[in-house]
Amino acid sequence: GQNIDQPTEMTATEGAIVQINCTYQTSGFNGLFWYQQHAGEAPTFLSYNVLDGLEEKGRFSSFLSRSKGYSYLLLKELQMKDSASYLCAVRDGDYKLSFGAGTTVTVRA
Amino acid sequence: DSGVTQTPKHLITATGQRVTLRCSPRSGDLSVYWYQQSLDQGLQFLIQYYNGEERAKGNILERFSAQQFPDLHSELNLSSLELGDSALYFCASSAGGGGTDTQYFGPGTRLTVL
Repeated sequence: GQNIDQPTEMTATEGAIVQINCTYQTSGFNGLFWYQQHAGEAPTFLSYNVLDGLEEKGRFSSFLSRSKGYSYLLLKELQMKDSASYLCAVRDGDYKLSFGAGTTVTVRA
Repeated sequence: DSGVTQTPKHLITATGQRVTLRCSPRSGDLSVYWYQQSLDQGLQFLIQYYNGEERAKGNILERFSAQQFPDLHSELNLSSLELGDSALYFCASSAGGGGTDTQYFGPGTRLTVL
């Protein structure tokens, strides 16, 4: 099976930066995704990495190191609406997508 | 709004019963995925269909089955329901069968088994 680890909770102040780490062990690799999920709502797509390096999209950036089985999601200029769960998901060699348990980010005023 | 629709939004039923959840993918998407999300298990992949054919199978119980119809909508059938089946069931769709395709999620069906 797949093994995807991310911290359970993180708290940060409005306007600050938070980095959510994700480590994974999978059978084959065909990309890593980050999703945002507000309580009781559907996950929404944030970013996709398949090659090593940093992908930047507005206030959100995602980094991947395939050799280390490691990714992070960087949230800059935090806003109250960024309080949500952030899910790391890895597509394995059979193209199945496995999700981590999610990191709950709480943004304080 | 992702463009993926799911019905019903809420479903309350009793143990031992059978229910059907419905999903319509985004226009043009050929793949449909089903996920179960419960509080203690996170988001679990159940099954994927691509253009009417089963493409990948995850942790789907034998009591559960799914199909994708010629118009590409999909149904997830859950039978002999147990209390532990209470969860949010999400459908997602993507353009192709895998590769670099991003999955877009529907709003989910909340199933409560009493």
